[in-house]
Amino acid sequence: RKEVEQDPGPFNVPEGATVAFNCTYSNSASQSFFWYRQDCRKEPKLLMSVYSSGNEDGRFTAQLNRASQYISLLIRDSKLSDSATYLCVVTKGTGGFKTIFGAGTRLFVKA
Amino acid sequence: DVKVTQSSRYLVKRTGEKVFLECVQDMDHENMFWYRQDPGLGLRLIYFSYDVKMKEKGDIPEGYSVSREKKERFSLILESASTNQTSMYLCASSLTEGPSDRGQTLPPDTQYFGPGTRLTVL
Repeated sequence: RKEVEQDPGPFNVPEGATVAFNCTYSNSASQSFFWYRQDCRKEPKLLMSVYSSGNEDGRFTAQLNRASQYISLLIRDSKLSDSATYLCVVTKGTGGFKTIFGAGTRLFVKA
Repeated sequence: DVKVTQSSRYLVKRTGEKVFLECVQDMDHENMFWYRQDPGLGLRLIYFSYDVKMKEKGDIPEGYSVSREKKERFSLILESASTNQTSMYLCASSLTEGPSDRGQTLPPDTQYFGPGTRLTVL
């Protein structure tokens, strides 16, 4: 079983739609959680950190459920420019920190 | 803005050649990382470094070595390139927040990535 698992998609949605991605992680000692965005043929870039209390940045909302060991990302009012791969990222510390990237979920937003 | 640069965007090498991939960051970050990214597998950590002259193996170090002689530079070396090392190679850096006021060590901060090097081994 992979340490961080995501539905690879692709998710094909029309503009204006709401779309949600989930990510599960296997290590309960995981400490930090992030969503990164990667555009085609580009490097990953931080989209937002994920906190237990949840956090929102404009049209994006991230949630963490430690009990169930999953992280979610909600995108409201999708734009064409949201088309990208979204990477779930988990950091764990066991005498040396380790950051683990999920394989990513592809999103296509169509006009 | 943090800037992470990689020496080449595209590289074509032959089997058995020695390959050097260079990465430089300009934000005085302690941590530097080398990943490879392959379709369906995501990013896999090859090696990372917490400080100058320090290195740690990641998940897939076989066939690779690294060098960190200066804080800003982290090099990935393929001693004898093979076709299964054809991939996208991504370098990243991050700032360790270090001990908090309570004596806890905080996990590494956001990773900043370079533009990647697409290596093809023929």
